[in-house]
Amino acid sequence: QKEVEQNSGPLSVPEGAIASLNCTYSDRGSQSFFWYRQYSGKSPELIMFIYSNGDKEDGRFTAQLNKASQYVSLLIRDSQPSDSATYLCAVNLSGNTGKLIFGQGTTLQVKP
Amino acid sequence: GAGVSQSPSNKVTEKGKDVELRCDPISGHTALYWYRQSLGQGLEFLIYFQGNSAPDKSGLPSDRFSAERTGGSVSTLTIQRTQQEDSAVYLCASSSRSGGDTQYFGPGTRLTVL
Repeated sequence: QKEVEQNSGPLSVPEGAIASLNCTYSDRGSQSFFWYRQYSGKSPELIMFIYSNGDKEDGRFTAQLNKASQYVSLLIRDSQPSDSATYLCAVNLSGNTGKLIFGQGTTLQVKP
Repeated sequence: GAGVSQSPSNKVTEKGKDVELRCDPISGHTALYWYRQSLGQGLEFLIYFQGNSAPDKSGLPSDRFSAERTGGSVSTLTIQRTQQEDSAVYLCASSSRSGGDTQYFGPGTRLTVL
């Protein structure tokens, strides 16, 4: 079992719809969770981080964390074509130095 | 201030040559990380620095890989006797402290080994 798992997609949604991106992780003691966006040929760009169970909202983005289910998700409301990118889930495992373990990423396509 | 910078942006080398990749973190960031992203692969952790020391080198794939950091700032990743499988984008990230703080990535160095 991989430490961080994501569906590679592509996930295709129409413009204006809600995109839901999901991630599961294996280490129950993990404390910090991050969503990065990566455009083709570019480096990862931080979208959101979440540490506590529940929802965290920032503009059109909402991160959701459920530690009991070892599940973290990212919702993108009113999706735009410019949101088309690969979304990387990253987890800071328990008791470590801060290195991030990344999922393989989910490719999102927002169609006009 | 400026973000994380890396140089060179692209490096093409021949198999067997040594290469050095440089990372300049965000000013004041004490933690520095190197990752590697191969074509179609996820990001793979290589090494972590806190100040000038490297408490976690667990991701270095072989003894051909080494890294150092001087003055608590700039870091250099060295790959000796490069192999074709070393071809990847090497990404550097920094954070204001270790232990789960947000990491900000540089633009990366694309290494191609012919």
